[in-house]
Amino acid sequence: DQQVKQNSPSLSVQEGRISILNCDYTNSMFDYFLWYKKYPAEGPTFLISISSIKDKNEDGRFTVFLNKSAKHLSLHIVPSQPGDSAVYFCAASGYGNAGNMLTFGGGTRLMVKP
Amino acid sequence: DAGVIQSPRHEVTEMGQEVTLRCKPISGHDYLFWYRQTMMRGLELLIYFNNNVPIDDSGMPEDRFSAKMPNASFSTLKIQPSEPRDSAVYFCASSLYRGEAFFGQGTRLTVV
Repeated sequence: DQQVKQNSPSLSVQEGRISILNCDYTNSMFDYFLWYKKYPAEGPTFLISISSIKDKNEDGRFTVFLNKSAKHLSLHIVPSQPGDSAVYFCAASGYGNAGNMLTFGGGTRLMVKP
Repeated sequence: DAGVIQSPRHEVTEMGQEVTLRCKPISGHDYLFWYRQTMMRGLELLIYFNNNVPIDDSGMPEDRFSAKMPNASFSTLKIQPSEPRDSAVYFCASSLYRGEAFFGQGTRLTVV
């Protein structure tokens, strides 16, 4: 049972345009959400996070939106750059001891074309 | 800090052999995680430690897998005996409480 789902395995975007990556979750106990970026042959690197008390968090070109009622979050990258081409993972964690256990989605491969 | 350091980067072994993966977390981080990435199951948590104590090992696939953290700066994941279906990329990560986890570069394990 996948608690965190990224339904789009891949996304192709033109340089300079907006990239929107989506993520859905099923566990109501999740209260902290993160996005990671992964290049080939490297480990995932943290990108941006959001707590369930917020609905938006922005960091430079990256913005994460959280819709708790829909159990949905999205990552917006504006403007997209070729160096953003990577696999993006959505992750979630819950309360208490579970707060440190990250459950990952399956990832979305983003390709930004020059 | 050099980040989370894993060794070896690549490991090829024959079925039935023992495999030991190593991890050095970031100094000062209280939590250490072992993840496995496969095409079929994605990134899945195997086990995590808090202050060197195993907290949740429910993700460990079977008794052939074991993990230890003898001190704050070192952890091992051992597979004995190894099987071809254990072939995957194994990641170690560390974090402070409720902070983002920092991942190592991973160990690509191939069991033939």
